[in-house]
Amino acid sequence: AQSVTQLGSHVSVSEGALVLLRCNYSSSVPPYLFWYVQYPNQGLQLLLKYTTGATLVKGINGFEAEFKKSETSFHLTKPSAHMSDAAEYFCAVSDPASSASKIIFGSGTRLSIRP
Amino acid sequence: GAVVSQHPSWVICKSGTSVKIECRSLDFQATTMFWYRQFPKQSLMLMATSNEGSKATYEQGVEKDKFLINHASLTLSTLTVTSAHPEDSSFYICSAQGASNQPQHFGDGTRLSIL
Repeated sequence: AQSVTQLGSHVSVSEGALVLLRCNYSSSVPPYLFWYVQYPNQGLQLLLKYTTGATLVKGINGFEAEFKKSETSFHLTKPSAHMSDAAEYFCAVSDPASSASKIIFGSGTRLSIRP
Repeated sequence: GAVVSQHPSWVICKSGTSVKIECRSLDFQATTMFWYRQFPKQSLMLMATSNEGSKATYEQGVEKDKFLINHASLTLSTLTVTSAHPEDSSFYICSAQGASNQPQHFGDGTRLSIL
């Protein structure tokens, strides 16, 4: 079974500061990993995904994440936070060998940006 | 590209009525559609997976007679909440996938409030 743990339900950073949202996964097979962002009363938007190949993945809006197999982690970072980054962020995992394409979501981390 | 439209975005209805939510892929054919439920400040929980022309596969604990899913075409899936009660109030989100190796694209969600 696959699972995702997001450390910290709420992260607050100052505008211009580094953003670090933590995600650890559990999977018996090499997983696909995702980060999604959700703005209030909206659906989810894919920020980035890791499937195979390069472990440092660059996404939209200046975000990137690094797949570290030894640490079973896929932390999301952004060098300089912007006010518009305030949202809910979800880390997710799926089994590439599964025909069902199910995505298992973490509990989410709310990112707040201080002026 | 890859736009998913969900309608309505917000609905309030009386207890005991049935509510239908539509999920449309506007610019691609969705072989598979997924329905999620999200409670306030919580993550997305997969309710069911539907493939065009087939019966939906429901997750454990989801009542198939309560949440009717129809995926009659490659661009439309519907979720009907039958005899809705206040405990069914939630944010319902659909996603659509073109092929099994393609990412899921999410609708903007439907906020359902049962009085």
